[in-house]
Amino acid sequence: NAGVTQTPKFQVLKTGQSMTLQCAQDMNHEYMSWYRQDPGMGLRLIHYSVGAGITDQGEVPNGYNVSRSTTEDFPLRLLSAAPSQTSVYFCASTMGGGGPYEQYFGPGTRLTVT
Amino acid sequence: AQSVTQPDIHITVSEGASLELRCNYSYGATPYLFWYVQSPGQGLQLLLKYFSGDTLVQGIKGFEAEFKRSQSSFNLRKPSVHWSDAAEYFCAGNFGNEKLTFGTGTRLTIIP
Repeated sequence: NAGVTQTPKFQVLKTGQSMTLQCAQDMNHEYMSWYRQDPGMGLRLIHYSVGAGITDQGEVPNGYNVSRSTTEDFPLRLLSAAPSQTSVYFCASTMGGGGPYEQYFGPGTRLTVT
Repeated sequence: AQSVTQPDIHITVSEGASLELRCNYSYGATPYLFWYVQSPGQGLQLLLKYFSGDTLVQGIKGFEAEFKRSQSSFNLRKPSVHWSDAAEYFCAGNFGNEKLTFGTGTRLTIIP
């Protein structure tokens, strides 16, 4: 069981470039989410998905797109990177949202936009 | 609005001393509450959770937390800290929807 995996671990982008952060889980979890972590701000929810084909916005969705074509994968796309998107990104999965379910986190992707 | 507050940004404790990290929430009912720990450069790991029943919850690594409805609090405690407990600790709450709301975190430093 690999749990939640994320690639890449580190990435440097120039302003205006696009890229996709990959996230996969092998626990057959329906619910997946993306967070960004910034100093002094905790983790903030970007987008989430309650199942294949269903996504919704979180607290800070602007500048990011997601899709969920399979249960296992939940990629996060940066359409046109901006310095404000410099952050550490975490993907998480859980059995279900809205309940006492543990979220399992990936190791994170550290993104720098110059 | 529903929220989770961790009033202490940084706490320093001597090895072997007791620890209490504070967490308060704002919600009209009882939320599901969680404590996560993040070691440097790592993802988050669940320490413990509360959803109903006994208000004193035991977790991994010798941690416990007490839910107090009257104070809207869910403080994390450990009787004797070890150097390996140095990390960032996040309190989080689920307020009846699909989303988990995190506090801003408390960084714990352990001195010998």
